[in-house]
Amino acid sequence: DAKTTQPPSMDCAEGRAANLPCNHSTISGNEYVYWYRQIHSQGPQYIIHGLKNNETNEMASLIITEDRKSSTLILPHATLRDTAVYYCIVRVGGSGNQFYFGTGTSLTVIP
Amino acid sequence: GAGVSQTPSNKVTEKGKYVELRCDPISGHTALYWYRQSLGQGPEFLIYFQGTGAADDSGLPNDRFFAVRPEGSVSTLKIQRTERGDSAVYLCASSSQAAGANVLTFGAGSRLTVL
Repeated sequence: DAKTTQPPSMDCAEGRAANLPCNHSTISGNEYVYWYRQIHSQGPQYIIHGLKNNETNEMASLIITEDRKSSTLILPHATLRDTAVYYCIVRVGGSGNQFYFGTGTSLTVIP
Repeated sequence: GAGVSQTPSNKVTEKGKYVELRCDPISGHTALYWYRQSLGQGPEFLIYFQGTGAADDSGLPNDRFFAVRPEGSVSTLKIQRTERGDSAVYLCASSSQAAGANVLTFGAGSRLTVL
């Protein structure tokens, strides 16, 4: 699976949009981009995933560049409860392929 | 149940002892994963089951670690002759078998401390 690069930490003001970048320059054509987050003392929680097109759900939006070498997770109105470690993972689809987590981005939402 | 359940939530043991950690996946999920997470690190893949069989155990660090899923539902991670370096949070996840992208649902983890 392709490796990802994320900044180790970011801050965001409460109520503002949080934009979390991820580089995956060696991504293959059949690899999806997934985002998970992990709040302290909990298991990772699925946020969103995409292949080529931008995606939006009730939690976040995922913007994937046209060349698919990078993506951005957008939390449109960050709250204090969004403080967590956010992991960007690229992975071939299907249950036979593992999710390899890096060290992620530690997002702190500031009141 | 509604989510992935892991027991015990906390386990303290002495070096050299044997430990079992249990995972109850979401009902109907055929795929089950074990991960290990050390402080300040992301989850590290250990083993993956598809049904009753271990489809990929390449992440198990050594032969002291073993996992089973005899009936294709509950799984047990077994650690023999525990060492202090085994201290970590052990996470279990499950997913339904589906073509294309699939999503893992994680449990809250079992925190193992080896003294």
